[in-house]
Amino acid sequence: GENVEQHPSTLSVQEGDSAVIKCTYSDSASNYFPWYKQELGKRPQLIIDIRSNVGEKKDQRIAVTLNKTAKHFSLHITETQPEDSAVYFCAAKESGGYNKLIFGAGTRLAVHP
Amino acid sequence: EPEVTQTPSHQVTQMGQEVILRCVPISNHLYFYWYRQILGQKVEFLVSFYNNEISEKSEIFDDQFSVERPDGSNFTLKIRSTKLEDSAMYFCASRGGPSTEAFFGQGTRLTVV
Repeated sequence: GENVEQHPSTLSVQEGDSAVIKCTYSDSASNYFPWYKQELGKRPQLIIDIRSNVGEKKDQRIAVTLNKTAKHFSLHITETQPEDSAVYFCAAKESGGYNKLIFGAGTRLAVHP
Repeated sequence: EPEVTQTPSHQVTQMGQEVILRCVPISNHLYFYWYRQILGQKVEFLVSFYNNEISEKSEIFDDQFSVERPDGSNFTLKIRSTKLEDSAMYFCASRGGPSTEAFFGQGTRLTVV
């Protein structure tokens, strides 16, 4: 089955800097890659996603890139703000079955004013 | 905006007791999931449910676990005889179609003492 690795586990940046979180996946047939933001004690919230037929997607300060050949995808946050502080999870959706998501271990992002 | 809702938000139970966690998925969704997140760890897939039956389950979802959609709106997770290691945040999620976003509920924090 699918396995998703995520790095780094913690990331500390100054406000205004960029943050990059990287994930790799094992199943080349996976075709959907969402990113979730989880604030303390709250539900995971989808912030951006990308499908395997696209190499890059951007939404304001957030972008995701996908390299299918290397089986990795990355989240880029520019001009970080303190409210970006949270745990970010990448996930991959298996191509078969009933579309379960396999999550990475999470990255705790701290943005310091 | 439609939401997945879960009750209760927090449940404390004695080891060996049965618990039922309740979820109301988004009304026109067809795919339903339970995920678990042990404190500080990644979100893990438990089970998916489609067309009134379990479509896939993980190794975690053993004979102590069961799911039900009793009335066409609620989606429940039952743990028959809770163990200390069942303590976690349990998230329900639903999806409208195979290629659409999964929406998560706010979670039920289960504490087994």
